[in-house]
Amino acid sequence: NAGVTQTPKFRVLKTGQSMTLLCAQDMNHEYMYWYRQDPGMGLRLIHYSVGEGTTAKGEVPDGYNVSRLKKQNFLLGLESAAPSQTSVYFCASSYPQGVYEQYFGPGTRLTVT
Amino acid sequence: GDSVTQMEGPVTLSEEAFLTINCTYTATGYPSLFWYVQYPGEGLQLLLKATKADDKGSNKGFEATYRKETTSFHLEKGSVQVSDSAVYFCALMESAGGTSYGKLTFGQGTILTVHP
Repeated sequence: NAGVTQTPKFRVLKTGQSMTLLCAQDMNHEYMYWYRQDPGMGLRLIHYSVGEGTTAKGEVPDGYNVSRLKKQNFLLGLESAAPSQTSVYFCASSYPQGVYEQYFGPGTRLTVT
Repeated sequence: GDSVTQMEGPVTLSEEAFLTINCTYTATGYPSLFWYVQYPGEGLQLLLKATKADDKGSNKGFEATYRKETTSFHLEKGSVQVSDSAVYFCALMESAGGTSYGKLTFGQGTILTVHP
């Protein structure tokens, strides 16, 4: 099993450009999450999904949109990138029972100039 | 709202030293508590967990005890190795996870560097 994979690993955008980050998991998990990681601030939840076709806002959703058209994929979109969105983005998934352990992808480092 | 506070870092230790990373939390109800570890260039992975008061989570020589009276979940290891160098995150999940959909609230992370 590949676990949780993220595409791309690195990206540089100019202010105002758009892009989509792809997260895929092969563990048949119902729940998926997008976080951003910034120095000294830990991880903050952007959006999450509790199943195919559902999405919900997390702690810092402004400037991002998401879609979960297939159970195994969770897409994060930036419609008009801003320098404040320079960050490392992590996707995670979990099974909705037990301890709800989250499995993380390797991250995408995004720089907006 | 819920919050997690970790001791400020970074922490630098010599191999075989004793490690403590403090973590305190604020939450309503009875959260579950976690420690996640992030090795260089990788995503986070679960290190240990505790789901109720007085539970002790343990893994790879690390331990943490859920102390409701002090709202703490401090991470300890008796003898660290160079391979333990990583960033450590304390996190909490509201209640039993069902109504919170497994969402985690993270602390800011503590960078640990272990020298030979």
